[in-house]
Amino acid sequence: QLQLQESGSRLLKPSQTLSLTCAVSGDSISSGAYSWSWLRQPPGKALEWVGYIYHSGNTFYNPSLKSRATISVDRSRNQFSLNLTSVTAADTAVYYCAREIVAHFDYWGQGTLVTVSS
Amino acid sequence: QSALTQPASVSGSPGQSITISCTGSSNDIASYNLVSWYQQSPGKAPKLMIYEVTKRPSGVSNRFSGSKSGNTASLTISGLQAEDEADYYCCSYAGSSTLIFGSGTKVTVL
Repeated sequence: QLQLQESGSRLLKPSQTLSLTCAVSGDSISSGAYSWSWLRQPPGKALEWVGYIYHSGNTFYNPSLKSRATISVDRSRNQFSLNLTSVTAADTAVYYCAREIVAHFDYWGQGTLVTVSS
Repeated sequence: QSALTQPASVSGSPGQSITISCTGSSNDIASYNLVSWYQQSPGKAPKLMIYEVTKRPSGVSNRFSGSKSGNTASLTISGLQAEDEADYYCCSYAGSSTLIFGSGTKVTVL
């Protein structure tokens, strides 16, 4: 059974960089034609797709993030990561990692709350 | 990218059928058969219920079904049960390797 687990910075000040890692267990991150994704959900609000990294290594991001996001993969550790620069209070959210295939997300992490506050 | 439009809330009595709409545009729902639906209970991660408009993952009840017409996708829950009470989100491919979610619908079982 595939499992995903987020970890990383939970409390940030405005202008800092958010760094999260998603550890994948139960299968190799390099197997299959999957993409590895980050999504987020501000408290009480809707889900938002942040971006993903294809099995090929190509990355794609939500245009609304205006080039602040970077997703990378560490195949030796079977994990992938999200960096989001210049955070503001609007980036406060539960961040989820997920596996994506053909435009849908079939496995999700439990989510981690990241708070941006001065 | 504006969120897909969903009704804020839908309710029904046990045993009834309800339908949740998800309205997009010619740039997303209307152009691709790549709509998915997620169920989210409070404090939990979303769960995939429907993908590629009509397909159900293994283990999801056949009381859940999906459809699409033009720029609007729909999720129908038949034989509504108390356990179906949750938030539901649609998601569509929007071209150029991007995805867009709906605004979310709270389903209440009366």
